[in-house]
Amino acid sequence: DQQVKQNSPSLSVQEGRISILNCDYTNSMFDYFLWYKKYPAEGPTFLISISSIKDKNEDGRFTVFLNKSAKHLSLHIVPSQPGDSAVYFCAASLTGTASKLTFGTGTRLQVTL
Amino acid sequence: DAGITQSPRHKVTETGTPVTLRCHQTENHRYMYWYRQDPGHGLRLIHYSYGVKDTDKGEVSDGYSVSRSKTEDFLLTLESATSSQTSVYFCAIRLTGDSTDTQYFGPGTRLTVL
Repeated sequence: DQQVKQNSPSLSVQEGRISILNCDYTNSMFDYFLWYKKYPAEGPTFLISISSIKDKNEDGRFTVFLNKSAKHLSLHIVPSQPGDSAVYFCAASLTGTASKLTFGTGTRLQVTL
Repeated sequence: DAGITQSPRHKVTETGTPVTLRCHQTENHRYMYWYRQDPGHGLRLIHYSYGVKDTDKGEVSDGYSVSRSKTEDFLLTLESATSSQTSVYFCAIRLTGDSTDTQYFGPGTRLTVL
């Protein structure tokens, strides 16, 4: 039973445009969410997080939006750059902390010139 | 750099043989994790530790055991490797601070079971 779902396995976006990566979850008790980026042959790296008490968090080109009623979060990357090409994972926690995370299946983003 | 290393980085073994993967950290972080990454499944938690000799199961723990006798080392053992355990294994530590609470991942170990 996949509690955290990324329904788009891949996404292609032109350089300079906005990339929107989506993540849905089924457990309404999740209260802390994170996004990670992963390049081939490397470990995932943390991008941005959001607590369920917020609906938006920004860090530079990256913004995460949380819609609790829809059990949906999204990661916006503006503007997209070729170096953003990677696999993106969303993750969710039941504890309000990163002590135990459930990950989605990932979305491969390709930013084209 | 949170000072986390994994060894070996690559391993090929045969079905039925025991395999131990090592995760080493240098900064005395309390929480450590083992994940596997497979196509179509993302990252799945195998086992985690919240202190020396304190471990718990994740969602895919069958066929795996762990040990943590020192803060800095977290070992993952496949007692009798099977082809279904061919995967990329990632170790992680939990990083906390004034404005952050996240997991930091090691570089991974690619394991092939023939």
